[in-house]
Amino acid sequence: LAKTTQPISMDSYEGQEVNITCSHNNIATNDYITWYQQFPSQGPRFIIQGYKTKVTNEVASLFIPADRKSSTLSLPRVSLSDTAVYYCLVAREAGTALIFGKGTTLSVSS
Amino acid sequence: GAVVSQHPSRVICKSGTSVKIECRSLDFQATTMFWYRQFPKQSLMLMATSNEGSKATYEQGVEKDKFLINHASLTLSTLTVTSAHPEDSSFYICSARDLKAATNEKLFFGSGTQLSVL
Repeated sequence: LAKTTQPISMDSYEGQEVNITCSHNNIATNDYITWYQQFPSQGPRFIIQGYKTKVTNEVASLFIPADRKSSTLSLPRVSLSDTAVYYCLVAREAGTALIFGKGTTLSVSS
Repeated sequence: GAVVSQHPSRVICKSGTSVKIECRSLDFQATTMFWYRQFPKQSLMLMATSNEGSKATYEQGVEKDKFLINHASLTLSTLTVTSAHPEDSSFYICSARDLKAATNEKLFFGSGTQLSVL
């Protein structure tokens, strides 16, 4: 399984765009990149998944360069409720057991 | 997306007793479910993979006799913490796989169970 590295923590203010970058240097050809959000005492919540280039949904965008060795989760105009831990995961196929890294704790202030 | 219901959300028990946690897929059939454990300020740690109708596969270091997993139907998996001790106090989370999901999201998580052993 590809190991992921992401910043331990990030701080932001309401209304700003937040970009969290994750490194996965040994990602395999068949691996997908998935991001999850977790609030305290809750299960993780799916944010977005991609394989290459750019993926966008109503919540976030995911940018993946051509070499796929990193990915960037972009959260537009964050609010206080976006304060959470964000996990970047790489898995061989959709639905495979996910191995969680340390995640990035995002703190949004007013 | 699909819904995974986990019950109870919180349980307090005495040392030496057993506690059962249920994980149900409400609107899909899940041949595979996963159990995680999370200590405060730490990440989720995969404990075991639960397969319907067969024995669970445990990760290295997880005692199968202490953490009993039963996946008797396509919508229910249970985790029983036997002879619980204070060091078993943790947040337990299940997830279920829906391979027929129409979107990229194939893995759905329960809301977790906070176990406190006194």
